[in-house]
Amino acid sequence: QKEVEQNSGPLSVPEGAIASLNCTYSDRGSQSFFWYRQYSGKSPELIMFIYSNGDKEDGRFTAQLNKASQYVSLLIRDSQPSDSATYLCAVTGPRGSYIPTFGRGTSLIVHP
Amino acid sequence: KAGVTQTPRYLIKTRGQQVTLSCSPISGHRSVSWYQQTPGQGLQFLFEYFSETQRNKGNFPGRFSGRQFSNSRSEMNVSTLELGDSALYLCASSLVALAGDTGELFFGEGSRLTVL
Repeated sequence: QKEVEQNSGPLSVPEGAIASLNCTYSDRGSQSFFWYRQYSGKSPELIMFIYSNGDKEDGRFTAQLNKASQYVSLLIRDSQPSDSATYLCAVTGPRGSYIPTFGRGTSLIVHP
Repeated sequence: KAGVTQTPRYLIKTRGQQVTLSCSPISGHRSVSWYQQTPGQGLQFLFEYFSETQRNKGNFPGRFSGRQFSNSRSEMNVSTLELGDSALYLCASSLVALAGDTGELFFGEGSRLTVL
């Protein structure tokens, strides 16, 4: 049974700080890694995906993947109150298995 | 471009009843997946349909079923409702066409089911 673990939080950071969200996964054969953001009462929306070891940057967001440690993280620079949401980590693979397994999410609160 | 549309948005049922939820995917998306979201369990995969065929299935009892029509619209049905079926049911469409592809999931706003 593939497992994806996230700290439920809440993670509270001041406006302008870096928020660091972490996710570990159990299946060493996992191939693709996604971060979804879910505002309260809304549906999840994709903000980042990463396939290869290392960092991937998109605006204020950086996804980091370390397959040896089975660890993926999301950094949000210059956090804004509008970033306050639950962040879901999702993992697919191994090859041929494309249905993502979701973590339970980390609640992020950015306070002014 | 229209997003994923789910109906109804909210519904209340009593134990033992059945419910049917509907999902219209983004135009051109042929893969439709259904998820159950609860505070305790998070997002749990129910099943995925592609070209009117159930291609993947999660670990839910047979009371949960679904189907997909030729226009890619999908329905899911839950029979003999239990209190524990109260949840947000999310539909997601994707361009995923082949096993091994990885694609972004586009979620609808969900159908919130309350079972009394």
